[in-house]
Amino acid sequence: KQEVTQIPAALSVPEGENLVLNCSFTDSAIYNLQWFRQDPGKGLTSLLLIQSSQREQTSGRLNASLDKSSGRSTLYIAASQPGDSATYLCAVSGSARQLTFGSGTQLTVLP
Amino acid sequence: EAGVTQFPSHSVIEKGQTVTLRCDPISGHDNLYWYRRVMGKEIKFLLHFVKESKQDESGMPNNRFLAERTGGTYSTLKVQPAELEDSGVYFCASKPGDRETQYFGPGTRLLVL
Repeated sequence: KQEVTQIPAALSVPEGENLVLNCSFTDSAIYNLQWFRQDPGKGLTSLLLIQSSQREQTSGRLNASLDKSSGRSTLYIAASQPGDSATYLCAVSGSARQLTFGSGTQLTVLP
Repeated sequence: EAGVTQFPSHSVIEKGQTVTLRCDPISGHDNLYWYRRVMGKEIKFLLHFVKESKQDESGMPNNRFLAERTGGTYSTLKVQPAELEDSGVYFCASKPGDRETQYFGPGTRLLVL
């Protein structure tokens, strides 16, 4: 059974810092990995999707890496801004495409 | 293009009552997923439709939950009778057949008293 763990559970940083969020999963037989953002009371917004054959994906100030063999992914946020404050969720997809989620990292970027 | 919509946004019901949640996927998306997050837990998969067919319902917690997707468009998730432990946020997501990214709706917040 796939299990996804996200560390840390919460993170508070001053504006402008670069930061890394971590995600690990127990079963390396994944199809892809997605990072989502969730704002309070809102739905999930997909940030980046990495296929199992890829090592990383970049979008603006975000960079996600994937090491499938070790069961790890990181989300790097450069030059953080208060608007980046949200809960960040990592989810892995198996062959059936259903997503298995971690419990999230709650990020606060202080002005 | 309209996103995934869910109705209602909030529902408060008493134990033993029935509630029906609705999800309208993005037009043209054959794949529709239901997930839920109960208090303090991570988001869990409930079931997956491809058009009107249930592809995978392995995450449905018990037979008090019934999902339908008549005509392969919108989907409903009925909870009957509702129990206290059903409280949580129910998310719907959709994706086209040739893409991997799932697009999520805002969720329905269900509170069973």
